[in-house]
Amino acid sequence: GAVVSQHPSWVICKSGTSVKIECRSLDFQATTMFWYRQFPKQSLMLMATSNEGSKATYEQGVEKDKFLINHASLTLSTLTVTSAHPEDSSFYICSARRGLAGYNEQFFGPGTRLTVL
Amino acid sequence: EDQVTQSPEALRLQEGESSSLNCSYTVSGLRGLFWYRQDPGKGPEFLFTLYSAGEEKEKERLKATLTKKESFLHITAPKPEDSATYLCAVLQNTGNQFYFGTGTSLTVIP
Repeated sequence: GAVVSQHPSWVICKSGTSVKIECRSLDFQATTMFWYRQFPKQSLMLMATSNEGSKATYEQGVEKDKFLINHASLTLSTLTVTSAHPEDSSFYICSARRGLAGYNEQFFGPGTRLTVL
Repeated sequence: EDQVTQSPEALRLQEGESSSLNCSYTVSGLRGLFWYRQDPGKGPEFLFTLYSAGEEKEKERLKATLTKKESFLHITAPKPEDSATYLCAVLQNTGNQFYFGTGTSLTVIP
C-alpha cells in the first residue's frame, strides 16, 4: 500500500510553454500533498504544501503564479509550470500524506524530470 | 539554523562491512523521525518512522534507532544493492512541515 504515481516521468518542452505534472495517490486518500524540487546531488527543496480543497501554501521564494498547484481531490494534485524557462529545468517530486491520525509519513512519487530548451 | 544534520555526507563500505549513518536534529517537540532511501533519478522510498526515544525498527539489513537528539541507521553486512542516498526527515508536533537532512550517499563495493 501507499503508492504514489507521477505523470509524466520526464518531459522536454520549449521555453515559454506550460507543463502540467500530475501526482496521484493510488491506494489511499491524501489530505495533504507536497511538491519538491531537487537539483543534482542536493536534497529535496520543498516548494509548496497543498491540502485538498484549499489553496496551496508556497515556501518563501517560490513564485505562486509560476508554479500553479491544484489539489482538487483526495487522490490528485497537479503542478503546472507556466511559461517555463531553462532555469526551471529540474527534477520535481511530489509526495502524499494520509489523512488519518497517527499516519505521519510522506510517500513519494517517482519524480518528473523537466527539461526546458 | 539547521534543523536536521546528517553525517557523513558520503560513505564507502566494502560488502559485508557494517556501519551506521547519523541523523541529528534540533527541532523541539518531535512528532516523528523518518528514514528514506533514494536511488538516482527516483523519488525517495519510505523505510521507517520512529516516534519516541528508545524505539527501534528493522528491515532486512537496516535498523533504525532514535534518541532524544539523534537517530542512527545501522547497516549490517551491506550488499552493493544497498548503495543509495539515505535521507532522514523530522516532523514537529506543531505545523505540517517536514525538515529533511541533506542525506548520506552510501556506496557498497563488491
